Amino acid sequence: EAQVTQNPRYLITVTGKKLTVTCSQNMNHEYMSWYRQDPGLGLRQIYYSMNVEVTDKGDVPEGYKVSRKEKRNFPLILESPSPNQTSLYFCASSPQGERGGLWETQYFGPGTRLLVL
Amino acid sequence: AQSVTQPDIHITVSEGASLELRCNYSYGATPYLFWYVQSPGQGLQLLLKYFSGDTLVQGIKGFEAEFKRSQSSFNLRKPSVHWSDAAEYFCAVALISNFGNEKLTFGTGTRLTIIP
Repeated sequence: EAQVTQNPRYLITVTGKKLTVTCSQNMNHEYMSWYRQDPGLGLRQIYYSMNVEVTDKGDVPEGYKVSRKEKRNFPLILESPSPNQTSLYFCASSPQGERGGLWETQYFGPGTRLLVL
Repeated sequence: AQSVTQPDIHITVSEGASLELRCNYSYGATPYLFWYVQSPGQGLQLLLKYFSGDTLVQGIKGFEAEFKRSQSSFNLRKPSVHWSDAAEYFCAVALISNFGNEKLTFGTGTRLTIIP
Protein backbone atom coordinates (compact mmCIF):
# COMPACT_ATOMS: atom_id res chain seq x y z
CA GLU A 1 0.00 0.00 0.00
CA ALA A 2 1.30 3.43 -0.98
CA GLN A 3 1.75 5.46 2.15
CA VAL A 4 3.67 7.92 4.24
CA THR A 5 4.46 6.67 7.73
CA GLN A 6 5.52 8.67 10.76
CA ASN A 7 6.85 7.51 14.09
CA PRO A 8 6.06 8.00 16.83
CA ARG A 9 2.43 9.03 16.56
CA TYR A 10 2.40 10.53 20.04
CA LEU A 11 5.30 11.82 22.09
CA ILE A 12 5.64 13.55 25.42
CA THR A 13 9.06 14.90 26.26
CA VAL A 14 10.78 17.51 28.39
CA THR A 15 12.49 20.72 27.42
CA GLY A 16 15.96 20.20 26.01
CA LYS A 17 15.81 16.46 25.41
CA LYS A 18 16.75 15.80 21.79
CA LEU A 19 14.22 13.89 19.75
CA THR A 20 13.73 12.64 16.21
CA VAL A 21 10.47 12.05 14.38
CA THR A 22 10.89 9.68 11.50
CA CYS A 23 9.11 9.89 8.16
CA SER A 24 9.21 7.31 5.41
CA GLN A 25 7.44 7.00 2.07
CA ASN A 26 7.26 3.98 -0.22
CA MET A 27 6.22 5.77 -3.42
CA ASN A 28 9.68 6.78 -4.66
CA HIS A 29 8.69 10.45 -4.48
CA GLU A 30 11.30 13.10 -5.07
CA TYR A 31 9.80 15.74 -2.80
CA MET A 32 9.20 15.56 0.92
CA SER A 33 8.14 18.16 3.43
CA TRP A 34 7.45 18.74 7.12
CA TYR A 35 4.60 20.85 8.45
CA ARG A 36 3.35 21.81 11.85
CA GLN A 37 -0.32 22.41 12.53
CA ASP A 38 -1.44 24.75 15.29
CA PRO A 39 -4.98 25.91 16.12
CA GLY A 40 -5.94 29.02 14.20
CA LEU A 41 -2.72 28.96 12.17
CA GLY A 42 -3.36 26.12 9.74
CA LEU A 43 -0.34 24.27 8.42
CA ARG A 44 3.03 25.92 8.21
CA GLN A 45 5.95 24.44 6.37
CA ILE A 46 9.08 23.75 8.42
CA TYR A 47 11.50 22.26 5.89
CA TYR A 48 11.29 20.59 2.55
CA SER A 49 13.51 18.46 0.35
CA MET A 50 13.57 18.26 -3.41
CA ASN A 51 15.77 15.18 -3.51
CA VAL A 52 18.51 13.33 -1.67
CA GLU A 53 20.89 15.73 0.05
CA VAL A 54 18.82 18.73 -1.10
CA THR A 55 16.87 20.48 1.63
CA ASP A 56 15.62 24.01 2.20
CA LYS A 57 13.86 26.05 4.83
CA GLY A 58 10.16 26.61 4.90
CA ASP A 59 8.32 29.30 6.81
CA VAL A 60 9.13 28.21 10.38
CA PRO A 61 12.50 26.37 10.42
CA GLU A 62 13.87 27.74 13.70
CA GLY A 63 14.60 25.00 16.22
CA TYR A 64 14.39 22.17 13.70
CA LYS A 65 16.82 20.19 11.58
CA VAL A 66 16.28 17.72 8.78
CA SER A 67 18.33 15.39 6.64
CA ARG A 68 17.67 13.47 3.45
CA LYS A 69 20.27 10.74 3.11
CA GLU A 70 17.92 8.32 1.41
CA LYS A 71 15.08 9.07 -0.96
CA ARG A 72 12.46 7.36 1.17
CA ASN A 73 13.33 8.90 4.56
CA PHE A 74 13.11 12.47 5.83
CA PRO A 75 13.54 12.66 9.62
CA LEU A 76 12.74 15.78 11.62
CA ILE A 77 15.14 16.51 14.45
CA LEU A 78 14.52 18.75 17.44
CA GLU A 79 17.93 19.25 19.03
CA SER A 80 16.64 21.06 22.10
CA PRO A 81 12.84 21.04 22.18
CA SER A 82 10.98 23.87 23.85
CA PRO A 83 7.31 24.16 24.88
CA ASN A 84 6.52 26.37 21.88
CA GLN A 85 7.27 23.36 19.69
CA THR A 86 4.28 21.53 21.14
CA SER A 87 2.26 20.88 18.03
CA LEU A 88 0.88 18.38 15.54
CA TYR A 89 3.48 17.52 12.92
CA PHE A 90 2.84 16.18 9.43
CA CYS A 91 5.21 14.74 6.91
CA ALA A 92 4.24 14.76 3.24
CA SER A 93 5.67 13.51 -0.02
CA SER A 94 4.91 14.22 -3.64
CA PRO A 95 6.15 13.17 -7.07
CA GLN A 96 7.31 15.75 -9.55
CA GLY A 97 4.12 17.04 -11.10
CA GLU A 98 3.13 16.83 -14.74
CA ARG A 99 3.71 20.57 -14.93
CA GLY A 100 6.97 20.29 -13.06
CA GLY A 101 5.48 21.62 -9.85
CA LEU A 102 6.66 20.48 -6.47
CA TRP A 103 3.34 20.21 -4.69
CA GLU A 104 0.86 19.13 -7.33
CA THR A 105 -0.16 15.99 -5.47
CA GLN A 106 0.96 15.68 -1.86
CA TYR A 107 0.44 12.61 0.25
CA PHE A 108 0.35 13.19 3.99
CA GLY A 109 1.33 10.99 6.86
CA PRO A 110 -1.04 10.44 9.82
CA GLY A 111 0.65 13.03 12.01
CA THR A 112 2.75 13.08 15.18
CA ARG A 113 1.37 14.84 18.21
CA LEU A 114 4.20 16.27 20.30
CA LEU A 115 3.95 17.70 23.80
CA VAL A 116 7.03 19.41 25.24
CA LEU A 117 6.87 20.00 28.99
CA ALA B 1 3.32 38.85 0.72
CA GLN B 2 1.13 36.05 -0.46
CA SER B 3 -1.79 35.06 1.74
CA VAL B 4 -4.69 32.66 1.81
CA THR B 5 -7.87 33.47 3.69
CA GLN B 6 -10.58 31.11 4.79
CA PRO B 7 -13.05 33.50 6.38
CA ASP B 8 -15.22 30.86 8.04
CA ILE B 9 -13.64 29.16 11.04
CA HIS B 10 -16.59 26.84 11.65
CA ILE B 11 -19.64 25.97 9.56
CA THR B 12 -22.58 23.80 10.53
CA VAL B 13 -24.91 22.33 7.92
CA SER B 14 -27.67 19.76 7.94
CA GLU B 15 -27.14 16.42 6.31
CA GLY B 16 -28.39 16.59 2.74
CA ALA B 17 -27.99 20.35 2.50
CA SER B 18 -25.64 22.07 0.08
CA LEU B 19 -22.24 23.36 1.15
CA GLU B 20 -19.93 26.14 0.10
CA LEU B 21 -16.59 26.82 1.79
CA ARG B 22 -14.85 30.03 0.93
CA CYS B 23 -11.23 30.62 0.03
CA ASN B 24 -9.59 33.85 -1.10
CA TYR B 25 -5.98 34.50 -1.98
CA SER B 26 -3.84 37.50 -2.65
CA TYR B 27 -1.28 37.13 -5.41
CA GLY B 28 -0.35 39.05 -8.50
CA ALA B 29 -0.65 36.03 -10.76
CA THR B 30 -2.80 32.92 -10.85
CA PRO B 31 -1.34 30.39 -8.47
CA TYR B 32 -1.89 26.68 -8.25
CA LEU B 33 -4.94 26.13 -6.02
CA PHE B 34 -5.79 23.16 -3.82
CA TRP B 35 -8.39 21.93 -1.36
CA TYR B 36 -7.49 19.35 1.26
CA VAL B 37 -9.65 17.56 3.82
CA GLN B 38 -8.54 16.39 7.25
CA SER B 39 -10.80 13.89 8.96
CA PRO B 40 -10.53 13.63 12.75
CA GLY B 41 -7.24 12.05 13.76
CA GLN B 42 -6.08 11.72 10.18
CA GLY B 43 -3.61 13.33 7.85
CA LEU B 44 -4.65 15.56 4.98
CA GLN B 45 -6.10 14.21 1.77
CA LEU B 46 -6.16 16.09 -1.52
CA LEU B 47 -9.73 16.76 -2.69
CA LEU B 48 -9.01 18.67 -5.88
CA LYS B 49 -6.61 21.08 -7.55
CA TYR B 50 -6.61 23.79 -10.19
CA PHE B 51 -3.75 24.82 -12.42
CA SER B 52 -5.32 26.25 -15.55
CA GLY B 53 -8.11 25.72 -18.04
CA ASP B 54 -11.70 25.02 -17.06
CA THR B 55 -12.43 27.07 -13.96
CA LEU B 56 -14.81 24.47 -12.52
CA VAL B 57 -12.83 21.58 -11.10
CA GLN B 58 -14.24 18.23 -10.05
CA GLY B 59 -12.69 16.36 -7.17
CA ILE B 60 -13.15 13.25 -5.10
CA LYS B 61 -16.07 12.52 -2.77
CA GLY B 62 -18.46 14.60 -4.87
CA PHE B 63 -16.74 17.93 -4.27
CA GLU B 64 -16.14 20.64 -6.83
CA ALA B 65 -14.50 24.05 -6.74
CA GLU B 66 -14.73 27.09 -8.94
CA PHE B 67 -11.87 29.46 -9.63
CA LYS B 68 -12.94 33.08 -10.08
CA ARG B 69 -10.04 35.25 -11.13
CA SER B 70 -11.96 38.50 -10.71
CA GLN B 71 -12.70 37.67 -7.08
CA SER B 72 -9.40 35.88 -6.33
CA SER B 73 -11.48 33.04 -4.97
CA PHE B 74 -11.52 29.27 -5.12
CA ASN B 75 -14.63 28.17 -3.26
CA LEU B 76 -15.38 24.54 -2.53
CA ARG B 77 -18.90 23.20 -3.04
CA LYS B 78 -20.92 20.07 -2.58
CA PRO B 79 -24.60 19.81 -3.53
CA SER B 80 -25.58 17.43 -0.73
CA VAL B 81 -23.41 16.72 2.30
CA HIS B 82 -23.18 13.43 4.13
CA TRP B 83 -22.38 12.90 7.81
CA SER B 84 -18.99 11.52 6.75
CA ASP B 85 -18.06 14.94 5.33
CA ALA B 86 -17.60 16.29 8.85
CA ALA B 87 -13.93 17.29 8.90
CA GLU B 88 -11.60 20.24 8.62
CA TYR B 89 -11.01 21.68 5.18
CA PHE B 90 -7.91 23.54 4.07
CA CYS B 91 -7.39 25.69 1.03
CA ALA B 92 -3.81 26.00 -0.19
CA VAL B 93 -2.00 27.91 -2.92
CA ALA B 94 1.37 27.46 -4.55
CA LEU B 95 3.19 30.12 -6.51
CA ILE B 96 6.51 30.18 -8.28
CA SER B 97 8.63 32.60 -6.30
CA ASN B 98 11.15 35.07 -7.66
CA PHE B 99 13.82 32.51 -6.88
CA GLY B 100 12.24 29.89 -9.13
CA ASN B 101 11.02 27.60 -6.39
CA GLU B 102 7.48 27.11 -5.28
CA LYS B 103 6.02 28.35 -2.06
CA LEU B 104 3.00 26.52 -0.72
CA THR B 105 0.76 28.37 1.71
CA PHE B 106 -2.19 26.90 3.58
CA GLY B 107 -5.22 28.70 4.88
CA THR B 108 -6.19 28.40 8.52
CA GLY B 109 -8.92 25.89 7.84
CA THR B 110 -12.71 25.62 8.13
CA ARG B 111 -14.22 23.07 10.47
CA LEU B 112 -17.40 21.51 9.09
CA THR B 113 -20.01 20.04 11.41
CA ILE B 114 -22.92 18.04 10.03
CA ILE B 115 -26.17 17.82 11.97
CA PRO B 116 -28.81 15.15 11.33
